[in-house]
Amino acid sequence: GDSVTQMEGPVTLSEEAFLTINCTYTATGYPSLFWYVQYPGEGLQLLLKATKADDKGSNKGFEATYRKETTSFHLEKGSVQVSDSAVYFCALSEGPGANNLFFGTGTRLTVIP
Amino acid sequence: GAGVSQSPSNKVTEKGKDVELRCDPISGHTALYWYRQSLGQGLEFLIYFQGNSAPDKSGLPSDRFSAERTGGSVSTLTIQRTQQEDSAVYLCASSPLGNDEKLFFGSGTQLSVL
Repeated sequence: GDSVTQMEGPVTLSEEAFLTINCTYTATGYPSLFWYVQYPGEGLQLLLKATKADDKGSNKGFEATYRKETTSFHLEKGSVQVSDSAVYFCALSEGPGANNLFFGTGTRLTVIP
Repeated sequence: GAGVSQSPSNKVTEKGKDVELRCDPISGHTALYWYRQSLGQGLEFLIYFQGNSAPDKSGLPSDRFSAERTGGSVSTLTIQRTQQEDSAVYLCASSPLGNDEKLFFGSGTQLSVL
């Protein structure tokens, strides 16, 4: 069945460091891929998405490229800030219906000044 | 409202008591989801409502869990005879027209069963 595997945390970085959070997936079809972010005390919110192979999603300096050949959607940011401290969730969707939506376990990022 | 609203934000209860958790989705969103987030775990799907269709209850962990959605809007998740393992953050999300490509989440209800 479909699944999402993401890098276990927690991840601690200094401000302005480079960030990579790995995410790989298993899917039967051609899913859309997402990164959601959960800031402290808030609900999850969509950070970026990509709907087909080789698409690059980007937002707030974060990027992720849909790599079909490696079934990956790694999240990257060139220079993290303290305000990026949050839990990041990789997810995939194969279409309508909650049984087609799968989340990873989340990766907690802490950025220290 | 501007976003998905959940209440209460925190709930402490004694083992064996019943609890009700409320979700007010974004107006006009036809799809509503409940997830559970346990400490150190990912999101566990519980139940999904889409318009007037029968809900997808395949994620409910036991018959102590139930949910309803009245008038296609507000939803209530009920846990009967709570157990300590029910302690978690319960998240509600909604999306327009059942578009799973973008879910809008509430900030959750932290449930603690003593």
